[in-house]
Amino acid sequence: EAGVTQSPTHLIKTRGQQATLRCSPISGHTSVYWYQQALGLGLQFLLWYDEGEERNRGNFPPRFSGRQFPNYSSELNVNALELEDSALYLCASSFGFLTSYEQYFGPGTRLTVT
Amino acid sequence: KNEVEQSPQNLTAQEGEFITINCSYSVGISALHWLQQHPGGGIVSLFMLSSGKKKHGRLIATINIQEKHSSLHITASHPRDSAVYICAVSPGGETSGSRLTFGEGTQLTVNP
Repeated sequence: EAGVTQSPTHLIKTRGQQATLRCSPISGHTSVYWYQQALGLGLQFLLWYDEGEERNRGNFPPRFSGRQFPNYSSELNVNALELEDSALYLCASSFGFLTSYEQYFGPGTRLTVT
Repeated sequence: KNEVEQSPQNLTAQEGEFITINCSYSVGISALHWLQQHPGGGIVSLFMLSSGKKKHGRLIATINIQEKHSSLHITASHPRDSAVYICAVSPGGETSGSRLTFGEGTQLTVNP
């Protein structure tokens, strides 16, 4: 069974540009979570999608947005990139949401903003 | 104060030693997760606990809901156990789902 996949592996952008990161969950999983791990900082929750809807978002500005497609894959968009957006962005997927389910993480996309 | 606190931040052990990493949390949870992160960033879920104790190979995780505390134990540690171990909690429910709040991680180095 294929795990969670993310693309691209690395992404280099210039300040002010937009970045698009993609995630494909494990087959059968409907929830997709995005997390940010900035250099020297811990992991922080960004966004949660389930059944095509944004269910919850962390303490990040509106320029961080995304969507979930009918096949449950997801896209994270970061507009007006700032230097401090440089980080490892991890996607995770799980079954449903009414209780806590184990999350399976993708390999991450390393975003560098210059 | 962080909602999830881990100790120690760094831990160096000799191969074969018994290792304990502690995690305390201050919020209501439906589950606590122990994760392992290797250099390069990949994260693997080791355990998800809501009560009691779980064992997988040389790894044991326990949780005390009343005291809001969990421990991860590694028996007979090996250099391949060297990684960052992260404690995370999930609130559960329709609003927050399985979104994770993370501790800062424990960097474990096991020397041969």
